[in-house]
Amino acid sequence: GQSLEQPSEVTAVEGAIVQINCTYQTSGFYGLSWYQQHDGGAPTFLSYNALDGLEETGRFSSFLSRSDSYGYLLLQELQMKDSASYFCAVTGNTGKLIFGQGTTLQVKP
Amino acid sequence: DTAVSQTPKYLVTQMGNDKSIKCEQNLGHDTMYWYKQDSKKFLKIMFSYNNKELIINETVPNRFSPKSPDKAHLNLHINSLELGDSAVYFCASSQDHRDSYEQYFGPGTRLTVT
Repeated sequence: GQSLEQPSEVTAVEGAIVQINCTYQTSGFYGLSWYQQHDGGAPTFLSYNALDGLEETGRFSSFLSRSDSYGYLLLQELQMKDSASYFCAVTGNTGKLIFGQGTTLQVKP
Repeated sequence: DTAVSQTPKYLVTQMGNDKSIKCEQNLGHDTMYWYKQDSKKFLKIMFSYNNKELIINETVPNRFSPKSPDKAHLNLHINSLELGDSAVYFCASSQDHRDSYEQYFGPGTRLTVT
């Protein structure tokens, strides 16, 4: 089967750095994706890691360690608009995108 | 330009009724999906079509029937609606089923069954 674990909630202040961790168990692992979803909105794709290491896209970075079945999303210079739910998701040989339960990030002034 | 659109955005109906949700994408993608997001925000795949062919069919009650008239459209028909069907239903698409890691989601349809 496939399962993902991520914290349910994280709180941080504007301007800070926050890391959202994700551990996964899956067969035939291909890669780890991250999605952002604002309240009442649709999930939007942020990043994808198929290989070990760090991928940077502006203020957001994503990391993957295949040997540890672990990844994280790093958000820098937090802004109020970053308050949202963040989902890690795995793809494997089933062709499905399997989502974690999501982490609600609250950014405070 | 809307990439993935769904109609209706809100749907309120009574138990036992039949309803449909429509989805269209103008991205030229080959693969489309239906997801259900429950009240705890858990996103679960229901179906996937690749070039009008069903490729993923999760354990979903057979009251749910997807239809893909062409690769740009994927509709979802639900028969005999139950209270537990209340959720937000998202349509999504990806370039190809091998690119399922990057999906583009529609705005969602909030279904409330009373």
